[in-house]
Amino acid sequence: RKEVEQDPGPFNVPEGATVAFNCTYSNSASQSFFWYRQDCRKEPKLLMSVYSSGNEDGRFTAQLNRASQYISLLIRDSKLSDSATYLCVVGEAAGNKLTFGGGTRVLVKP
Amino acid sequence: GAVVSQHPSRVICKSGTSVKIECRSLDFQATTMFWYRQFPKKSLMLMATSNEGSKATYEQGVEKDKFLINHASLTLSTLTVTSAHPEDSSFYICSASGGGAMDEQFFGPGTRLTVL
Repeated sequence: RKEVEQDPGPFNVPEGATVAFNCTYSNSASQSFFWYRQDCRKEPKLLMSVYSSGNEDGRFTAQLNRASQYISLLIRDSKLSDSATYLCVVGEAAGNKLTFGGGTRVLVKP
Repeated sequence: GAVVSQHPSRVICKSGTSVKIECRSLDFQATTMFWYRQFPKKSLMLMATSNEGSKATYEQGVEKDKFLINHASLTLSTLTVTSAHPEDSSFYICSASGGGAMDEQFFGPGTRLTVL
């Protein structure tokens, strides 16, 4: 079983629509949670951290469910520029080690 | 924000040669640097963690004699792929953090290695 699992997609989303997807993680001792965005052939860039209480950053909302060990990301009012691969990332406190999911590809179309 | 650079951005080499990739933190001191590898349409896989002035810690399955990591200063870490083979062709990405648990990692732009 992979440590961090994501639906690879692609999610084809009409411009202006809402899209949501999850990831699950296997290590119950994980301490930190993030969503990164990666464009084709580029490095990943931090989109947002994910907190237990849930958090929102503009059109992006992230939720963490520790009991079920999953993290979600919701994108409202999708823009063409939101097309990318979204990486679910889980961190361990020891050594600041990050484990990446395989990514969920989102394609926003006009 | 913190900036991490990598050099070269792209390299093509013949099988059997060695390739050195540099990772630099430009505006902060990176006590810890991480090296990742990403194959096409796959996730980033951590190869090793290096702390300034000490030996790197390699992940299971990563050959330390093949992937030599040096972190000689607080702003520079190097990854040398020795005796490269076509299966080593990949996207190599470094990240750097200022140290301490939970510190954000800042990623370099990556180096695309193609071994012929």
